[in-house]
Amino acid sequence: AQKITQTQPGMFVQEKEAVTLDCTYDTSDPSYGLFWYKQPSSGEMIFLIYQGSYDQQNATEGRYSLNFQKARKSANLVISASQLGDSAMYFCAMFRKSSGDKLTFGTGTRLAVRP
Amino acid sequence: DAMVIQNPRYQVTQFGKPVTLSCSQTLNHNVMYWYQQKSSQAPKLLFHYYDKDFNNEADTPDNFQSRRPNTSFCFLDIRSPGLGDAAMYLCATSRVGNGGYTFGSGTRLTVV
Repeated sequence: AQKITQTQPGMFVQEKEAVTLDCTYDTSDPSYGLFWYKQPSSGEMIFLIYQGSYDQQNATEGRYSLNFQKARKSANLVISASQLGDSAMYFCAMFRKSSGDKLTFGTGTRLAVRP
Repeated sequence: DAMVIQNPRYQVTQFGKPVTLSCSQTLNHNVMYWYQQKSSQAPKLLFHYYDKDFNNEADTPDNFQSRRPNTSFCFLDIRSPGLGDAAMYLCATSRVGNGGYTFGSGTRLTVV
């Protein structure tokens, strides 16, 4: 069975500093995708970044980058130059084509950005 | 803009009184999902539609049902809500095979 683990229930970061949110996964499928979502207190799930299992380069989207280490099965999210608006819950999720198009989420990390 | 819309944004229902949550999409995605997210927990998949094919998760209670009358709309019916069903309900869509989910803003359900 696939599993997504986020070991940091909560984190603090100083405004303008970088922060890394950890995510490890477990799957035996060769083809999968990894997502990071941001969920503010209002509840909507906002897509941040995607990494495919066959992608050779780490994904980047503006201030977000994904540190993909396939052999270690980790997909950590790096947020550079943190802003107050980055305070939210962050979820790592995995998609496998063999799982019938279902997305499985980790337990999330609550990030608080300090001014 | 193409999007996924959930109505209502907030829903209060009485214990045991049937309630329906709705989701519509303008993306023409063939897969639609309903997730339940309780406070401080990860979203949990209840069921999904692959076109008209309904797929129920094994641990989804019988109290929860869904309808998808056409590509654009999907409904979540809770036949007899209990206090434990209070949660955020998230609708999402995707085009089969690429995992690119689009989420609605969610409906926060309160049971009184």
